[in-house]
Amino acid sequence: AQSVTQLDSQVPVFEEAPVELRCNYSSSVSVYLFWYVQYPNQGLQLLLKYLSGSTLVKGINGFEAEFNKSQTSFHLRKPSVHISDTAEYFCAVGGTGGGNKLTFGTGTQLKVEL
Amino acid sequence: NAGVTQTPKFQVLKTGQSMTLQCAQDMNHNSMYWYRQDPGMGLRLIYYSASEGTTDKGEVPNGYNVSRLNKREFSLRLESAAPSQTSVYFCASRTSAGETQYFGPGTRLLVL
Repeated sequence: AQSVTQLDSQVPVFEEAPVELRCNYSSSVSVYLFWYVQYPNQGLQLLLKYLSGSTLVKGINGFEAEFNKSQTSFHLRKPSVHISDTAEYFCAVGGTGGGNKLTFGTGTQLKVEL
Repeated sequence: NAGVTQTPKFQVLKTGQSMTLQCAQDMNHNSMYWYRQDPGMGLRLIYYSASEGTTDKGEVPNGYNVSRLNKREFSLRLESAAPSQTSVYFCASRTSAGETQYFGPGTRLLVL
């Protein structure tokens, strides 16, 4: 079984400040890790993913995430946020087999303020 | 390519009514998924189809049925809608494990 915990339901931050959205996972097998973003009244779109290799993953819109196997974490970071980054962010874990299902966290609402 | 499309975009039902949510993808993906999204609960998997001809229950299947009509289409049916099924429903598809899961725009369902 696999699970994802996003510890922060809401993160307020000022524009141009750095931000970190936290994600911890548990899984009994090797995993794939994803971050998705959802803008208001839209579907989810992929920000970045970790499959293997380098533990630092770069995605779209200046976001990056670091896979830490010992701490079972995959935190999302951006050095300087913009108003347009206001959205909900979901961490997800998946593995091979079992229909290749993804298990999603409960989401973190990032609110960027002027 | 249209990606993943869903119909309808909005629907209001009365308790006990039935309806089918439609989903289609034009990316030749093998696997398709139905999720529901509720405030504070993230996305929960209702049913999935790992490949054409197969369907399996996800985390919250009660009250729903699915049909994988062909490789492109995967429908979700509510036989007797209940207020607890008020939610936003997303369809998604992907090629295989590790690949990006692509989402449709969602169907907003209100059951009175």
